[in-house]
Amino acid sequence: GAGVSQSPRYKVAKRGQDVALRCDPISGHVSLFWYQQALGQGPEFLTYFQNEAQLDKSGLPSDRFFAERPEGSVSTLKIQRTQQEDSAVYLCASAFVLAASTDTQYFGPGTRLTVL
Amino acid sequence: GQQLNQSPQSMFIQEGEDVSMNCTSSSIFNTWLWYKQDPGEGPVLLIALYKAGELTSNGRLTAQFGITRKDSFLNISASIPSDVGIYFCAGRRGATNKLIFGTGTLLAVQP
Repeated sequence: GAGVSQSPRYKVAKRGQDVALRCDPISGHVSLFWYQQALGQGPEFLTYFQNEAQLDKSGLPSDRFFAERPEGSVSTLKIQRTQQEDSAVYLCASAFVLAASTDTQYFGPGTRLTVL
Repeated sequence: GQQLNQSPQSMFIQEGEDVSMNCTSSSIFNTWLWYKQDPGEGPVLLIALYKAGELTSNGRLTAQFGITRKDSFLNISASIPSDVGIYFCAGRRGATNKLIFGTGTLLAVQP
């Protein structure tokens, strides 16, 4: 497949449990983004990677959220001690070029996280 | 977190009608984007705008980058049932790569 893939597509967690969400970007894409989309809302930025470097993590809501991209390809978003307010769809997007003015972000289908 | 003001919140129209939606911000943006999101899927880019005043078309879709750089408009002509979905505007400002999304417009088209 040529698109961004995410796994799992659905995750149910008990409050307090740790979860890990995976993103496989389009091959060769330098930039990778994570967004959080609450029900009925638009996506909200969480964090941004350029290759393996995390250049912007200003959108991470708390220190329970952690993202990594160790080899500049696959990325994992980890949420520790999940809370009910963490329930949302987590979207990953990737982009090819480095220039902010023209890159197109391609989104994956998202992981729907439900915290009970 | 910050979200752009998008209106209308929802639209219920007959097939063949034209549709208009808009997005406004109190801040200046240097890029405006319009996305469509189907249930269970991620947003798909429809149109990208990079200059104030720019008017761009993609088939039946036309979008404009407001001259003040604080707003954008999307028009869909002769709507068809497959236009159903949620439409989001998104803006980018400064040198940042992150997108700020609007609150979304739900479009329903009745055949």
